[in-house]
Amino acid sequence: QVQLVQSGAEVEKPGASVKVSCKASGYTFTSYYIHWVRQAPGQGLEYVGVIYPSAGTSFTAQKFRGRVTLTWDTHTSTVYMELSSLRSDDTAVYYCAREQPHTCNFDYWGQGTLVTVSS
Amino acid sequence: QSALTQPASVSGSPGQSITISCTGTSSDIGNYNYVSWYQQHPGKAPKLIISDVTSRPSGVSSRFSGSKSGNTASLTISGLQAEDEADYYCSSYATNNDYVFGTGTKVTVL
Repeated sequence: QVQLVQSGAEVEKPGASVKVSCKASGYTFTSYYIHWVRQAPGQGLEYVGVIYPSAGTSFTAQKFRGRVTLTWDTHTSTVYMELSSLRSDDTAVYYCAREQPHTCNFDYWGQGTLVTVSS
Repeated sequence: QSALTQPASVSGSPGQSITISCTGTSSDIGNYNYVSWYQQHPGKAPKLIISDVTSRPSGVSSRFSGSKSGNTASLTISGLQAEDEADYYCSSYATNNDYVFGTGTKVTVL
């Protein structure tokens, strides 16, 4: 069965960086896109970006450009999202989610990773 | 991209029908038939319930239906059940590989 399993919760100080992983299984990794979405406590969903494993490219929403780095390891079917220069308002649950190419919807989601930014 | 606008809350009695609106612009909902709806229970990841404006993924109840007119999409839940109590988010593809989500709607079953 399709699974996206994310790394555990993180606590970081302002100004630091955090790297969250998302390991995919149950399907051909390179045949699907992986997106990142975050949700601040009690707030709505916010789009972060996407990686295209088969094309070897990624896209980051304008708000996060310069602070988010999306990478992946095809050998381990794992996607990584690194967020730098952390601020308190980056405190959120970060989700990875799968998209079948060109469908523009997210059919499977990871369980989420809570990133807490606190001094 | 500004968030799509949804009502903060909608409520209904068991068996009733409710509709949640999702208003965007000509740069997202109005220009693409790539509107999705997600259901999120507390502490859980979102779940896809409607894709491509009107399509239901396999396993999703037929009580959920979607539509779109102009820059506004809608989700209707018919035969409301206690298990439908959750937060609902719309989403649309936007220009230049971007996506935008709605502000979210809390559905309460009275």
